[in-house]
Amino acid sequence: NAGVTQTPKFRILKIGQSMTLQCTQDMNHNYMYWYRQDPGMGLKLIYYSVGAGITDKGEVPNGYNVSRSTTEDFPLRLELAAPSQTSVYFCASRSGTGARQETQYFGPGTRLLVL
Amino acid sequence: AQSVTQLDSHVSVSEGTPVLLRCNYSSSYSPSLFWYVQHPNKGLQLLLKYTSAATLVKGINGFEAEFKKSETSFHLTKPSAHMSDAAEYFCVVSDASNQFYFGTGTSLTVIP
Repeated sequence: NAGVTQTPKFRILKIGQSMTLQCTQDMNHNYMYWYRQDPGMGLKLIYYSVGAGITDKGEVPNGYNVSRSTTEDFPLRLELAAPSQTSVYFCASRSGTGARQETQYFGPGTRLLVL
Repeated sequence: AQSVTQLDSHVSVSEGTPVLLRCNYSSSYSPSLFWYVQHPNKGLQLLLKYTSAATLVKGINGFEAEFKKSETSFHLTKPSAHMSDAAEYFCVVSDASNQFYFGTGTSLTVIP
């Protein structure tokens, strides 16, 4: 199993450009999450999904959109990139069988720089 | 509302000495608690998690954490630090809304 994969690893965007961060998991997990990590800070939840076709906002959703058409994929869309979106983005997944103590599995991250 | 406070942003220890990384949580619900480690330019890896079965939780690489409800704490310890332990450590609490709340992290430096 590859686990959680993210592409690209690194990207530079100009202000106002758009892009999609890809996230795929091969563990048949129901729950998927997008986080951003700013320097010296913990992770902040952007969006999450409890299953295909179901998404919900996290703590910092403004400027982002998500979709979940399949169990495996959970892309994150930036429509109009702003310097404040410079960050490292992590995708995570967990089984979602109902136990609160389930482990989240993280991807390696996407480093985004908006200039 | 859930929140996590990691009491030290930086901890420095000598190799072979004990490690203590402190975490306090606030939860209006019976929490689930986790410690994750992040090595430079890497993703997050689970060290251990509190499952309510035992208050002393053992994790990978010799790390342990003790859940103390009366003190709302979940401190991470290791008897003897190794150079490879140098990393960023995150305490995480989750609630019934399927969301996970991260502390701001503790950077551990191990001095040879």
